[in-house]
Formats: sequence, structure tokens, C-alpha cells
Amino acid sequence: DTGVSQDPRHKITKRGQNVTFRCDPISEHNRLYWYRQTLGQGPEFLTYFQNEAQLEKSRLLSDRFSAERPKGSFSTLEIQRTEQGDSAMYLCASSPGQANEKLFFGSGTQLSVL
Amino acid sequence: SQQGEEDPQALSIQEGENATMNCSYKTSINNLQWYRQNSGRGLVHLILIRSNEREKHSGRLRVTLDTSKKSSSLLITASRAADTASYFCALRGGAQKLVFGQGTRLTINP
Repeated sequence: DTGVSQDPRHKITKRGQNVTFRCDPISEHNRLYWYRQTLGQGPEFLTYFQNEAQLEKSRLLSDRFSAERPKGSFSTLEIQRTEQGDSAMYLCASSPGQANEKLFFGSGTQLSVL
Repeated sequence: SQQGEEDPQALSIQEGENATMNCSYKTSINNLQWYRQNSGRGLVHLILIRSNEREKHSGRLRVTLDTSKKSSSLLITASRAADTASYFCALRGGAQKLVFGQGTRLTINP
């Protein structure tokens, strides 16, 4: 059994470039979540999917951010026209889809925007 | 805001001592969860306590929940160097998302 996998582990990009991250959840987990975490802070909710449907998106998420989960399995998070303020750890988590259950997190993608 | 507030922000103790972290919140919840995060890594679930429960144990961990005071505490007994990490409380209300606090940074000194 593999856990939640995120790729890449680290990404360095120049301001204005587009970046895409991938998350592979635990197989058969219906729910998939994206969080963002900056140094010294707790994870901040970005969005979540139930199978392929994106059911909630944070109001803090600008139009430059988009997430997809086309077949209800892996998910991608794209950031367009990156800004220095986008530098953070992007965490993906999955859960079986039952109410009130715990989340299983990946190791995250550390983004640095220069 | 549904976010929990954790106290203290940082805690440093000697190995073998007990560590207590607190989480206070303002809204109603379905459950409250505690997670651990080692530096630069993802979060690991420790324990979940439902709103109708008052105390739960898991190994060296003890969690209490007081819904009247809207607060929870995490106790780690007989601490070890490997317990050095950040600890987060997370709240689940009516929505499906889990909202995390800002965490307590715990350092266990040998």
C-alpha cells in the first residue's frame, strides 16, 4: 500500500512562469484535498474534490490557481503567472470519503518563486 | 472563523517530561483532530475526538475535549526526542474541509 504521493518534491521557478503539481492519492480514496502552508503557519485549505467533482474552493484562491481531478484519481494543481507570494509548501491529502474521517497527507511540494 | 488557536506557540521540555498543548475554538464542531508534522514533511494524523466524547487515549497520547469551553488539550506523556515536531489541531464543522490551527512547535531536549 502506497501513501499519498506528490510530485515534484521541490520546484523553483521565476516570477511569471506557470507551474503544475501532481498528487496521487491512496487508491480508492474518494476525497482529495489541497492545502498551502507557509513557514511557521498551519495548513490553509485551498480546495477539495469528491471523486472528479470539485466541491469547494477557498475564497482566498485567486483565479491564477486551478485544480483538476479528471478521472477521480490523481489531481493536478496549476498556478499561472506565479508571484513571490505563492512561495509555500503545497500539501495534498486524501480520505476514504466517509464523514468525519481523518486525512492522509503527502510529503508536499515546496515551491520557491524567485 | 473556524480556525483553532493553539497555545503555547512553542514548548521546550526535557526528555521524559510530559508535554501539554491546548487548542481553543469559537464555532461548533463535529470533531477535532490532532496532527503531527516533522520539519519539511507532511502531516500525520494522531487522534480524532468527536463532539460527544470527552477523552480519548492512544498510546502515550491523551486528548480531552470540553465543548462547553470550546477547548481541547493534547497530552504527550514520557516524551522522547522523536516527539520533536509541530502539532496542529484541526476542526471539522458542518463543511467537509478540515481547518487547521497555527500549531505548537514542540522541542524535546535530551
